Amino acid sequence: EVQLVESGGGLVKPGGSLRLSCEASGFIFRSYSMNWVRQAPGKGLEWVSYISSSSRYIYYADSVRGRFTISRDNAKNSLYLQMNSLRADDTAVYYCARDIVYCGGDCYEGAHDYWGQGTLVTVSS
Amino acid sequence: DIQMTQSPSSLSASVGDTVTITCRASQTINNYLNWYQQKPGTAPKLLIFAASNLQTGVPSRFSGSESGTDFTLTISSLQPEDFATYYCQQSYNTPKTFGQGTKVEIK
Repeated sequence: EVQLVESGGGLVKPGGSLRLSCEASGFIFRSYSMNWVRQAPGKGLEWVSYISSSSRYIYYADSVRGRFTISRDNAKNSLYLQMNSLRADDTAVYYCARDIVYCGGDCYEGAHDYWGQGTLVTVSS
Repeated sequence: DIQMTQSPSSLSASVGDTVTITCRASQTINNYLNWYQQKPGTAPKLLIFAASNLQTGVPSRFSGSESGTDFTLTISSLQPEDFATYYCQQSYNTPKTFGQGTKVEIK
C-alpha cells in the first residue's frame, strides 16, 4: 500500500525556518518524481515545488523561489522541504504528492496520484 | 504562467443529477489536465488525468473531456459521497496551476 506521511509542521514566527519531511513507503520511491502542494486555511490548492526522481530537475512556484528548497534522499525514501524566511501568507497545510507515471502510447506524468495527510504550518508572532 | 479558470465556483444539485464543471486554460496545454476531488479535512484525490483517463478505483460516473483549451468534468447520477470540492490542474508546465475550485453542495 502506497503511503506518504508528512511531518515537521508547527508554529513558527515570521522570518523563521522550518523543515518538512515526507516519508514514503509501499512503492519504489527512487522511480517517482515528487511534489509539495499547499492549501491555506479555507482556500484552494497551490502547487509549491517539484523534484524529479534523480533530483536532476527542480522547480518552484514564484511565491516560494529563493526561500524554499526541495530535496530528497532516495536511500531513506524521504522528501524534504526546507522553508526559510517564512511569512504569514505561508500559513497552510502542506501536502507531499507523488507524480503518476502512466504509459499508454506515450508516457504521461504530472498528475498527483497519491497524497500524504498533510502537515500544518502556521506562521505567526 | 498558465491560468486555469474554473466555473462555476459553487453549485447546488440533487442526488441523481448530472453535474458539469468547466476549466479553461489560458493557453494550449494539450491534454495535460487533471481533476481532483477534496472533502473537508482530507487530502485531494485524483479522479481523472490526461483530460479523460479515469484513475484506478474511481467510479465510472466520473468522466472528463476536452475541446481545445476547454476541459469538462462530468458527474453522472450524483451520489451522496460526491458532495465535495473539485479542482482542475494543468501539468503541461510549471507552475502546475490549479483552478479556483468548485464546491458541489446538496440542494
